[in-house]
Amino acid sequence: KQEVTQIPAALSVPEGENLVLNCSFTDSAIYNLQWFRQDPGKGLTSLLLIQSSQREQTSGRLNASLDKSSGRSTLYIAASQPGDSATYLCAVDLASGTYKYIFGTGTRLKVLA
Amino acid sequence: GAVVSQHPSWVICKSGTSVKIECRSLDFQATTMFWYRQFPKQSLMLMATSNEGSKATYEQGVEKDKFLINHASLTLSTLTVTSAHPEDSSFYICSAPGLAGFSYNEQFFGPGTRLTVL
Repeated sequence: KQEVTQIPAALSVPEGENLVLNCSFTDSAIYNLQWFRQDPGKGLTSLLLIQSSQREQTSGRLNASLDKSSGRSTLYIAASQPGDSATYLCAVDLASGTYKYIFGTGTRLKVLA
Repeated sequence: GAVVSQHPSWVICKSGTSVKIECRSLDFQATTMFWYRQFPKQSLMLMATSNEGSKATYEQGVEKDKFLINHASLTLSTLTVTSAHPEDSSFYICSAPGLAGFSYNEQFFGPGTRLTVL
C-alpha cells in the first residue's frame, strides 16, 4: 500500500530564506507527482506537476525534483516570503494512471516578516 | 487552466438531515471525478471515484449508503451525505483530471465544501 510522508511537519523561517520541503513515498511505481499549497480553510492550489519520466519542474521561485527510484521528491522555495505561508501537500498518482491521488501528511510553513 | 467549482462552499445542518454537495467542471468535460475528505489538521483522504454513466466506486472503509454519489452529466457530480452526524463534519473536496488539451494528467481541485453537523 502506497504511503506518502512529508518532512518536516511544520517549519517556521525568517523571510528571505531558501527552503526545502521533502516528500517520500513507499512505492516507486507512480504515474506522476503533484505539489499543492493549501491556505487555512481553503481548497488546493496546484503548484507543480512532475510526470514519472521527468526529474524536475520549475515555476518562478519554486523548483520540484523527483527521484522515483529512491521514492523522493523535494520542493525548493527560493527567497521565501510571508505570502508563502501555507500548508504544502505532495500527492502521487498510482502507476496505472487511475488519477487516484494519495496525499502526503503535509508541511505547515510559516514565513516570518 | 481548467476550473472546478463546488457548491455550497459551506453548510451547517442538524444531525439526521441529508446534505448535497455539487462539483462542476466549468470549462471541460469530466467522465471521472473524485471526492476527498479532510479532517482538521489532517491530509486529504480519497473517498470515492465518481463515474459518469455508471456507479461510483468507493474506497475501503467508506460507506456507500451514507455517501451517495451521482454523476449526472459530463460536468456535474454530486455527493449526498445522508443522515449526517457530527462525526461527518469535515472539509469535502472534489477533483477532476484535466484533458490533454489543458494539462496532461493534471488533477484540478474544487475549492472545497465545509460541512458542520450540529
